Amino acid sequence: NAGVTQTPKFRILKIGQSMTLQCTQDMNHNYMYWYRQDPGMGLKLIYYSVGAGITDKGEVPNGYNVSRSTTEDFPLRLELAAPSQTSVYFCASSYSMTGGSTDTQYFGPGTRLTVL
Amino acid sequence: GNSVTQMEGPVTLSEEAFLTINCTYTATGYPSLFWYVQYPGEGLQLLLKATKADDKGSNKGFEATYRKETTSFHLEKGSVQVSDSAVYFCALSSGTYKYIFGTGTRLKVLA
Repeated sequence: NAGVTQTPKFRILKIGQSMTLQCTQDMNHNYMYWYRQDPGMGLKLIYYSVGAGITDKGEVPNGYNVSRSTTEDFPLRLELAAPSQTSVYFCASSYSMTGGSTDTQYFGPGTRLTVL
Repeated sequence: GNSVTQMEGPVTLSEEAFLTINCTYTATGYPSLFWYVQYPGEGLQLLLKATKADDKGSNKGFEATYRKETTSFHLEKGSVQVSDSAVYFCALSSGTYKYIFGTGTRLKVLA
């Protein structure tokens, strides 16, 4: 029972490089999310998806892109990495019939990214 | 807009001490309230939740009551253990599937 898995666990990038953070869930959840967690701060929503083929911006989308071609996968793409993107990135998923506010989110273990 | 404010940490307690972590919120409508816990090196996991006023969420000895009159959702535990050492996040969701998280409170329990 894997839940939400993320790869890689750690990554160091140089300024200007690009990479994709992978996220997969095996719970058949329709909603998926990407957050970043900066030291001493709460989680900030980057992008979210309410189903395959549908994505939308969250609070801090600049410098990132996403796609959702399948229910299971929700990769996050960083283009032209900058030091401000140094953070811990969490993927999460939830199931909702109505998009309601009571749904529990299930989180992956996170990817720690450093941009130098 | 919606927001969550929780007490700053770190909170350091001795084993078997009483724990309170304060959380207050601002929201339009009728939000659902959550406490998530993050153990070292792991993602967040749901600890408890309450979906309407006066509801009490409970799990693993932790409790929190949804107080609409004081817009609060304080987390309590009667007797903490070393294994409770973690970061605790208060969160709300109001009318949508998007959450607002607090900044987290780090708890350290000493044997």
